[in-house]
Amino acid sequence: DQQVKQNSPSLSVQEGRISILNCDYTNSMFDYFLWYKKYPAEGPTFLISISSIKDKNEDGRFTVFLNKSAKHLSLHIVPSQPGDSAVYFCAASAGGAQKLVFGQGTRLTINP
Amino acid sequence: DADVTQTPRNRITKTGKRIMLECSQTKGHDRMYWYRQDPGLGLRLIYYSFDVKDINKGEISDGYSVSRQAQAKFSLSLESAIPNQTALYFCATSDPGQRLTDTQYFGPGTRLTVL
Repeated sequence: DQQVKQNSPSLSVQEGRISILNCDYTNSMFDYFLWYKKYPAEGPTFLISISSIKDKNEDGRFTVFLNKSAKHLSLHIVPSQPGDSAVYFCAASAGGAQKLVFGQGTRLTINP
Repeated sequence: DADVTQTPRNRITKTGKRIMLECSQTKGHDRMYWYRQDPGLGLRLIYYSFDVKDINKGEISDGYSVSRQAQAKFSLSLESAIPNQTALYFCATSDPGQRLTDTQYFGPGTRLTVL
């Protein structure tokens, strides 16, 4: 049973526009959410996170929104740049267990 | 130098062979993890260790074993490799003192092919 789902395997966005990546979860015990970015031949790298006590967290061009009632989070990248082309993973953890549950990933392609 | 290193980076082996993947870290973190990545399935946790004496199974531990030789080293073994263990394997670390972030730091991965 997939507790964290990224239903879009791929997304293509024009450079300069906004990229919106979505993630849904089913476990109401999740209280911390993270986004990781992965380039080919590299390990995932931490991008941004949000605690369940917040509904928004911003870091430069990256903003994560959390809608607890809908069990949905999204990552907004604006403006999108070619270097943002990568696979993005959503992850969640519950109760300080420091075990992350990952979504399937979304491949983002930024077109010039 | 990379904080989390994995060896080998690529490995091709045959069904039934025993293989070990190694992970070393210089971050000084107590917690270490092994994941596998398969297309369409994301990263799935195989084993994790919160300190040298603590080893725990993840969601897909069957067919795998681990050894935590030291705080900095965590090895993953496939006792008898099978083709459906062909995947990309990642080691990761985290710092229990940073609970609020739950951030894990990943190595570059090992691409394993079992023929």
